[in-house]
Order: sequence, then C-alpha cells, then structure tokens
Amino acid sequence: QSVLTQPPSVSGAPGQRVTISCTGSSSSIGAGYDVHWYQQVPGTAPRLLLYGNNNRPAGVPDRFSGSKSGTSASLAITGLQAEDEADYYCQSHDTSLRGSRVFGTGTKVTVL
Amino acid sequence: QVQLQESGPGLVKPSETLSLTCTVSGGSVSDNTYYWAWIRRPPGKGLEWIGLMHYTGSKYYNPSLKSRVTLSVDTTKNHFSLKLTSVTAADTAVYYCTRDRVEYYMDVWGKGTTVTVSS
Repeated sequence: QSVLTQPPSVSGAPGQRVTISCTGSSSSIGAGYDVHWYQQVPGTAPRLLLYGNNNRPAGVPDRFSGSKSGTSASLAITGLQAEDEADYYCQSHDTSLRGSRVFGTGTKVTVL
Repeated sequence: QVQLQESGPGLVKPSETLSLTCTVSGGSVSDNTYYWAWIRRPPGKGLEWIGLMHYTGSKYYNPSLKSRVTLSVDTTKNHFSLKLTSVTAADTAVYYCTRDRVEYYMDVWGKGTTVTVSS
C-alpha cells in the first residue's frame, strides 16, 4: 500500500548532515496533507520523531528537522550521532484511500 | 502518560484467526480526541498500516487487508482489539497498537508483539 517512496539507505560519518527524501503524489503530500516522521531503533517500537512536517515532540533533539514542498518532504539530521542509526519512516494521508494512513518505504540510516 | 500494551498468542496456525488486544493505561479509549490503530512490520520489510477506529464506531481499513480485518473497542475494559482471519505466513510480523490523532499521525505506540504464522 506504500504510496510514499524513500531511499532504502543513507549513511554518514559522525557529525555530518544527512537527509532523507519522501516522495508522494498529488493525492497525498501534494494534496496538502502534513508529513510525519518516525524513528525505529533496532529491537524497539517506532517513536514519533516529527509531526506536522517540522514539529518535534518533547524529548526529540533539535538536530532533527523536516520540510515539505509540493509532493515531497524531507527529514534532515544534523550532527549525526551513533544513536541515530535506525530506520526512518515518513507517513501521511492519501485522499484516494479514505481514512487511511500511509507509510513511506523506510530508510536505513547508517552511521559510519 | 498514556501507555499501550499488546497481548495475544505468539503463534497462529495457517488459515486460523489472529486475535490481539491492546490495553490502554493512563488514558481512556473513550477519549473523543483520538483514534486507535494497528500497525505491523513483517520481517525484513517496512511498516504497514492495518486500520484504525474511533470508540464511537468509525472504522477505516487498509484496502489490501480489509476483507480479513475486524477492529473493535471495549470501553468497559479500556482496550481495543484486532482480528485477522485466514492468516498465512505473510501475516508473520511484529504487531503494534497505537494512538492515532485526528491530525493523521500516531503519537503513542505499544512495545509490539511478535506473531508467527506456522503449523
């Protein structure tokens, strides 16, 4: 059902900046729906990382930021740390799938 | 602080029905502000949205699973449930229950429970 496309993997050295793209369509991100991001560290449940495109829940470091433009969104991690090694998923809504939530395909971030 | 806990059998035989329950603590399933949802992650794959419901009865399902999924809420026990019929090995996954906001995102997640479909 994934209608949001992400790169399978990205990597970076500690301290570097990495970005993850999330590409949707005119019925999802392009229709004006917000994009949200989740982080899943191996062996744990996903946690909400960003909501409403670029809002951080309490406890999420400001190294994480998001943006949205047109039919795409992106997540940026600045000052990459070893603890950031995880899977990241974008998520939005799609008008063609009434009431549905849709996830991105997921991106594995590796800290070199 | 709201917490969610999944429970149910870890092993289900092919063609049988998978049944899971999510118990809500620190909050109420009858809170009009929220929906309650199920997500799963099969081994080696990404997150898959299964469906969500409101305690008043509104329900939405993943079209690819709709014919096999039933969600329900028990306000007296403060929990909500998932039933998935006619399971196959493809339904093997870690299943998560979540709290879903009207702004279309999930802000609270359970720890997850592993369900294996095997004879």
